[in-house]
Amino acid sequence: DTAVSQTPKYLVTQMGNDKSIKCEQNLGHDTMYWYKQDSKKFLKIMFSYNNKELIINETVPNRFSPKSPDKAHLNLHINSLELGDSAVYFCASSLPGFNYGYTFGSGTRLTVV
Amino acid sequence: ELKVEQNPLFLSMQEGKNYTIYCNYSTTSDRLYWYRQDPGKSLESLFVLLSNGAVKQEGRLMASLDTKARLSTLHITAAVHDLSATYFCAVDLDSNYQLIWGAGTKLIIKP
Repeated sequence: DTAVSQTPKYLVTQMGNDKSIKCEQNLGHDTMYWYKQDSKKFLKIMFSYNNKELIINETVPNRFSPKSPDKAHLNLHINSLELGDSAVYFCASSLPGFNYGYTFGSGTRLTVV
Repeated sequence: ELKVEQNPLFLSMQEGKNYTIYCNYSTTSDRLYWYRQDPGKSLESLFVLLSNGAVKQEGRLMASLDTKARLSTLHITAAVHDLSATYFCAVDLDSNYQLIWGAGTKLIIKP
């Protein structure tokens, strides 16, 4: 299936731990994104990569580090997890020009306890 | 700074009724997107509006864009329960690979 796939779907971890979320798209899109959706459903962009190059790096704690080994993958590593990091994290991808909008992954629900 | 405001943020309505969700934005843009999110699910692209006066329809949903008024509407005709979801609008920040999102409108349609 052509899609944006994220793993894991659920992640429960203790404060202070380090965790990673993986994202892969097989749509041939050039641009990938990480979004955070909080408990009130508000969507906030965190990072964007275009052909492996970081183009958007919003004000997020430097405990969050994205890595794009190739244009089909964008992973998110989080160090020293805090309670406030609990949220749903969405990966998305798009073609240049935004004529088609974004395709979103299914999300990773991160719970920090 | 571009701001995107949706109105209302919550809407409960009966099946069979018509209603409109509004999306206002604060800076010039001619690219606006509507997405749907079911509870616990991902976001699904509904409409891409790319010019002033653009109108698109899919089933009971119709979206329009007035770039001069900086306003998009999502109109629901003869609502059915299956349309219950949260609807987001998002505006393109002028090709900076970034969309600015509204807060979402939670729509509940009662049988």
